[in-house]
Amino acid sequence: ETGVTQSPTHLIKTRGQQVTLRCSSQSGHNTVSWYQQALGQGPQFIFQYYREEENGRGNFPPRFSGLQFPNYSSELNVNALELDDSALYLCASSYRVSSYNEQFFGPGTRLTVL
Amino acid sequence: EDKVVQSPLSLVVHEGDTVTLNCSYEVTNFRSLLWYKQEKKAPTFLFMLTSSGIEKKSGRLSSILDKKELFSILNITATQTGDSAIYLCAVVSFTSGTYKYIFGTGTRLKVLA
Repeated sequence: ETGVTQSPTHLIKTRGQQVTLRCSSQSGHNTVSWYQQALGQGPQFIFQYYREEENGRGNFPPRFSGLQFPNYSSELNVNALELDDSALYLCASSYRVSSYNEQFFGPGTRLTVL
Repeated sequence: EDKVVQSPLSLVVHEGDTVTLNCSYEVTNFRSLLWYKQEKKAPTFLFMLTSSGIEKKSGRLSSILDKKELFSILNITATQTGDSAIYLCAVVSFTSGTYKYIFGTGTRLKVLA
């Protein structure tokens, strides 16, 4: 059983650019959630995907968008990057959309916006 | 607005000490409370609590939830240097047909040898 993987590990972009982060969910999991974790803060919920549809969203602007594919892997896209977007981006997968299912986190992508 | 508050923000103890970490919350449509340990990047799951007064235990770690007073505590007994980490509390809410996970800022624990 493979765990949650994310790519790339690190990324440096400049303001105004666009970025795509990728996440492969744990085998057997069909739900993926994305989080932004700024330094010294707890993870902030961006959105969740279940069966290829967005199933919940936190307080993030529309320039944060995502996709989930038939194999349940997922992408997070951020357009028009701002300096404050610099953070660790975590994805987490679970078996199905339910509070009674444990989420398993990937190692994260560290994004730096200059 | 939903919020989760953890205290203390940081804590330094010596090996063998017992620590208690606190998590209070104000969340509509509460479903469950989760504790995670974050050492480097990926938070790792510790406990999920859904019912008041039932203690969850794993080795030296234990946790309990009080849904009336809206808080949870995480206890670590006989601390070891390997317990040094950030401990995150998250509350799951269910609103408008979707689940959301609201995290606190975490408690940074450092255990000295």
